[in-house]
Amino acid sequence: EVQLVESGGGLVQPGGSLRLSCAASGYTFSGHWMYWVRQAPGKGLVWVSRINSDGNSIRYADSVKGRFTISRDNAKNTIYLQMNRLRVEDTAVYYCTRGVVGTAWFDPWGQGTLVTVSS
Amino acid sequence: QSVLTQPPSASGTPGQRVSISCSGSRSNIGGNYVYWYQQLPGTAPKLLVYQNNQRPSGVPDRFSGSKSGTSASLAISGLRSEDEADYYCAAWDDSMSGPVFGGGTRLTVL
Repeated sequence: EVQLVESGGGLVQPGGSLRLSCAASGYTFSGHWMYWVRQAPGKGLVWVSRINSDGNSIRYADSVKGRFTISRDNAKNTIYLQMNRLRVEDTAVYYCTRGVVGTAWFDPWGQGTLVTVSS
Repeated sequence: QSVLTQPPSASGTPGQRVSISCSGSRSNIGGNYVYWYQQLPGTAPKLLVYQNNQRPSGVPDRFSGSKSGTSASLAISGLRSEDEADYYCAAWDDSMSGPVFGGGTRLTVL
């Protein structure tokens, strides 16, 4: 079974940092692009960042550029999202998902991890 | 403000057919495939329709997608109580070089 499991969320003060992880299993992880998508409380889905299969092509949404860093370790079947200089508006459930480049095809999705930025 | 526009809510009674619209532009829906996601309460999104009108294995044929020009729609026939969820459309946007989502439509089964 293809599965994605996020971890690392929690409560952090504005300006703080947090590192999210997403462990994949059940498929050839190194052959697929991966994405982070977030959902603020009561709001819709928003793409945050993406990384290609070998980690040398990366893009970010303008809202997180310069503050977030996506990376992957294909030996560990895991992607990461290092979030620095966090803002209140970064509060959201963060999902990792397997994507197809040049499309909005995302499948499967992890269960999500909640990040709360508050003083 | 989402790039793709969906009605915030929709409703129907069991057995009815409901349709959810998704409006975009030439840079997204007009030139790329549309995808639909179902998000049941308290759970992660799940792929419901891909490439405008294709269903992944396991998705009932009660769900169908269509696209025309810069708009798309999701139709659900034979509405069931378990269809009560949030539905999101999505497409690649050539101008933004990234995927864009609709704001979501909350479907209520009366």
